[in-house]
Amino acid sequence: KQEVTQIPAALSVPEGENLVLNCSFTDSAIYNLQWFRQDPGKGLTSLLLIQSSQREQTSGRLNASLDKSSGRSTLYIAASQPGDSATYLCAVRHAGGTSYGKLTFGQGTILTVHP
Amino acid sequence: GAVVSQHPSRVICKSGTSVKIECRSLDFQATTMFWYRQFPKQSLMLMATSNEGSKATYEQGVEKDKFLINHASLTLSTLTVTSAHPEDSSFYICSARKGGSNQPQHFGDGTRLSIL
Repeated sequence: KQEVTQIPAALSVPEGENLVLNCSFTDSAIYNLQWFRQDPGKGLTSLLLIQSSQREQTSGRLNASLDKSSGRSTLYIAASQPGDSATYLCAVRHAGGTSYGKLTFGQGTILTVHP
Repeated sequence: GAVVSQHPSRVICKSGTSVKIECRSLDFQATTMFWYRQFPKQSLMLMATSNEGSKATYEQGVEKDKFLINHASLTLSTLTVTSAHPEDSSFYICSARKGGSNQPQHFGDGTRLSIL
């Protein structure tokens, strides 16, 4: 069974810092990995999608990497801002088995950026 | 970008009421729609997957007679919580995807359901 783990569970940083969020998964048979942002009481906003054949994706101040063989992904946020405060979720899409095509989510990292 | 609209955003009702939640893909045709449930401070748990025009596939432990899913068109799916009870109170989120498994999923803003 696929397990997705995110470290740290919570992170508090001053504005302007660069930071790294970590995601690991146990089964490397994945289609892709997707990073999301969730604001309190809201749904999910897709940030980056990395296909299994890709190593990284970038969007603005965000950079996500994927090492499928070791079951790891990182989300790098440059020059953090208070508006970046949210819960960040990673999710992997299964490429086989009974969970084919489904997303399995990590528990999330709660990020707080202080002004 | 792809937009998924979910209504209502919040529902408060008495025990025994049936509640319908709508999920619409506004600017794309959703081949597949997903319904998730999220408890406080926990991650999303998949309830069911539906493809347009066919019956939904429910995850283990999810009662299909309790959570009725209809995916009548490529832009609309509904979740009906039948005879809701306090233990059904939760945050329900729908998601939609165009195309195959290599495509991204887009999520609605969620529905906060509170059963008194």
